[in-house]
Amino acid sequence: ETGVTQTPRHLVMGMTNKKSLKCEQHLGHNAMYWYKQSAKKPLELMFVYNFKEQTENNSVPSRFSPECPNSSHLFLHLHTLQPEDSALYLCASSQENLAGALVQFFGPGTRLTVL
Amino acid sequence: GQQVMQIPQYQHVQEGEDFTTYCNSSTTLSNIQWYKQRPGGHPVFLIQLVKSGEVKKQKRLTFQFGEAKKNSSLHITATQTTDVGTYFCAGPGVNTDKLIFGTGTRLQVFP
Repeated sequence: ETGVTQTPRHLVMGMTNKKSLKCEQHLGHNAMYWYKQSAKKPLELMFVYNFKEQTENNSVPSRFSPECPNSSHLFLHLHTLQPEDSALYLCASSQENLAGALVQFFGPGTRLTVL
Repeated sequence: GQQVMQIPQYQHVQEGEDFTTYCNSSTTLSNIQWYKQRPGGHPVFLIQLVKSGEVKKQKRLTFQFGEAKKNSSLHITATQTTDVGTYFCAGPGVNTDKLIFGTGTRLQVFP
């Protein structure tokens, strides 16, 4: 599946580094999301963008900074992360279907390790 | 807050046995979705249920939406090793743009 792409696929960073995760969707959807998936927790929604406007910030620490320059691209800027931030970061896009549901199309994820 | 719970958390079955995962929401849902995540992969949409009491089938998979639209189930008949993965249900948040994902059920199938 190439509808939603994410780069990089793997990232190792120190706590003082600054890095960015990139997501691109080729599905023409209006909404994009960042999720965090840890080993022992369910999918945690981080941010929602609808038509480039942030509509949801799920109490995410400020060391995570999202950016949505247009409806096709989404970034997650990372700085001064903690080891407990190590996780799989998933990007998704969606568009409301005829039934009023927001079906999520996920990218392959970025496996982040913070040393 | 709104919660979506799934049971069991883990299930190990012998190939050929049946499997069921149950999803329960703390609030009434307008629709429910099911996703499958293979080991090392990402969640992939399987199906959506909208009507109260709705039942849908995809080959060996049967999905059901409860009459009260607060619970759902996924039943797999005669599991195969290709069914291995984590199954998530998800429902829309109340007055938000977000989807609330269930806690997931990890299925392991032994040949």
